[in-house]
Amino acid sequence: TQLLEQSPQFLSIQEGENLTVYCNSSSVFSSLQWYRQEPGEGPVLLVTVVTGGEVKKLKRLTFQFGDARKDSSLHITAAQTGDTGLYLCAGDSSNDYKLSFGAGTTVTVRA
Amino acid sequence: DVKVTQSSRYLVKRTGEKVFLECVQDMDHENMFWYRQDPGLGLRLIYFSYDVKMKEKGDIPEGYSVSREKKERFSLILESASTNQTSMYLCASWTLASYEQYFGPGTRLTVT
Repeated sequence: TQLLEQSPQFLSIQEGENLTVYCNSSSVFSSLQWYRQEPGEGPVLLVTVVTGGEVKKLKRLTFQFGDARKDSSLHITAAQTGDTGLYLCAGDSSNDYKLSFGAGTTVTVRA
Repeated sequence: DVKVTQSSRYLVKRTGEKVFLECVQDMDHENMFWYRQDPGLGLRLIYFSYDVKMKEKGDIPEGYSVSREKKERFSLILESASTNQTSMYLCASWTLASYEQYFGPGTRLTVT
């Protein structure tokens, strides 16, 4: 059983549409990170959120950390084909050195 | 920029062989990790190290060992490779000063 549940597992949309990916848990996290991974490559860190209720924006990407620090969402506005990839969330629940990862959401943006 | 490098991008080994995967980071990070990634299972932690010569088991350590003789280098060893160890292996490093973990490009290992 994953500590972090991501939904949906797969998402296919047309270029220009919006999308939201969710990351949920029953555990409280000290911090939560989002990564994007392209095929055959390692995950690349997009953002870290540490404060409950925090919202961070990176161009067309908006990340939100739930008030109770148990969940997070990633929203992409006007998706582009370059946004295609596997999106992973990861959380640090015990303030030790380890992160727990969700299984990921595979996003495909069609031209 | 943090850089994490892994010794091989692709590796093909036979069952029973001893396999070494090397990882080097250049940011003086205290903590280093080895994960394996399989479809539908996400990233699973094999071993991690929070200091030189220190190691801790992750969630799936069976069949693996590690070595950290220098701060910048963390090695993963498969003592006797088996077909169920065919996977993508990812090394990562981070420092608690920032909650940011950086990954290497991965090694795609196939055991035949």
